[in-house]
Amino acid sequence: DVKVTQSSRYLVKRTGEKVFLECVQDMDHENMFWYRQDPGLGLRLIYFSYDVKMKEKGDIPEGYSVSREKKERFSLILESASTNQTSMYLCASSWGQGAVSPLHFGNGTRLTVT
Amino acid sequence: QKEVEQNSGPLSVPEGAIASLNCTYSDRGSQSFFWYRQYSGKSPELIMFIYSNGDKEDGRFTAQLNKASQYVSLLIRDSQPSDSATYLCAVNPSNTGFQKLVFGTGTRLLVSP
Repeated sequence: DVKVTQSSRYLVKRTGEKVFLECVQDMDHENMFWYRQDPGLGLRLIYFSYDVKMKEKGDIPEGYSVSREKKERFSLILESASTNQTSMYLCASSWGQGAVSPLHFGNGTRLTVT
Repeated sequence: QKEVEQNSGPLSVPEGAIASLNCTYSDRGSQSFFWYRQYSGKSPELIMFIYSNGDKEDGRFTAQLNKASQYVSLLIRDSQPSDSATYLCAVNPSNTGFQKLVFGTGTRLLVSP
């Protein structure tokens, strides 16, 4: 089974802090994704990466950056956390370029910014 | 117009009944369609995907796709209380080469014993 591991289940940070969310997958997947999930808004794509050192903006990249130095690891960075970034963050991975390659999600990180 | 629309529910069905969950999408060129189940406080897990018109069955689950009408549905036969969850429809739009899925906001299903 694919395992996608997010480093923290819960995080509480202060406004203005730099926040790192880490994600590791163990199935040699090419593609990795960061989503946030908010009530009534569903899952929204922040950034994704289809190869090491490659990154693409999703639908809501503002206030975020990412890093993918190794194939198995994809980090989401909040440069200066704000209260509107309080959310559930979900990392996902998938293989290849095929249109029917499903996403495999991590357990999520619930981030609270105070 | 939202790209992927689902009725938020809750959809309430008795145990043993058929639950029918619907999803419409706006991009006529969308290629593939996914149903995910998400229990409260957990991450989404894939139930099944479909990319050809018609029905696809997997155990108690059947996905139905009608590209002409731009809807995809999920039927759950013999519904169980353990099926109570939020069901997310996800679509791979035509302007992406791979898995940049667009998700609906989900339909909450409640199966009563």
